[in-house]
Amino acid sequence: GQNIDQPTEMTATEGAIVQINCTYQTSGFNGLFWYQQHAGEAPTFLSYNVLDGLEEKGRFSSFLSRSKGYSYLLLKELQMKDSASYLCAVRDDYKLSFGAGTTVTVRA
Amino acid sequence: KAGVTQTPRYLIKTRGQQVTLSCSPISGHRSVSWYQQTPGQGLQFLFEYFSETQRNKGNFPGRFSGRQFSNSRSEMNVSTLELGDSALYLCASSAQRGGTEAFFGQGTRLTVV
Repeated sequence: GQNIDQPTEMTATEGAIVQINCTYQTSGFNGLFWYQQHAGEAPTFLSYNVLDGLEEKGRFSSFLSRSKGYSYLLLKELQMKDSASYLCAVRDDYKLSFGAGTTVTVRA
Repeated sequence: KAGVTQTPRYLIKTRGQQVTLSCSPISGHRSVSWYQQTPGQGLQFLFEYFSETQRNKGNFPGRFSGRQFSNSRSEMNVSTLELGDSALYLCASSAQRGGTEAFFGQGTRLTVV
């Protein structure tokens, strides 16, 4: 089976940095995705990692260590609009298994 | 370019009825996957279609079915609706199987009463 763990909630201040961790144990691995989902909306694609290392996209960066079954999403220079749920998803055999999501609240 | 389009956006159905949901992927994308999202279970994989063939199926009963057309548009059908089928149904579009990006549509919010 698939087991994907991420913290339930995180709170940070506007302008700060937040790191959302994701650990996974899956039967196979063909890439890890991060999505942002605002309440009542569809998930928005943020990043994709398949090789170990850091991928940077503007204020968002994602890191992967396949040997440790670990990834993180780093959000820098937090803005109020970053308040959302962040979903870690592992692809195995072309299907995505999602974690329960981390709700990030950005305070002024 | 246009994103992933799902129709309808909202549906209310009665127990025992059936429903068909539609997904038009991004132009040029050939892979469509369907997911169910509920507060209790989160996002769960339903099926994956590529080149008009179902390539993967999740752990859902046979009441859930789907298909993909030659233009890559996909439909999913749920028969004999149950209250527990109330959920947000999302489809995701990728250029090919194993693509480095997968984009979701806005979803269809199904309420079964």
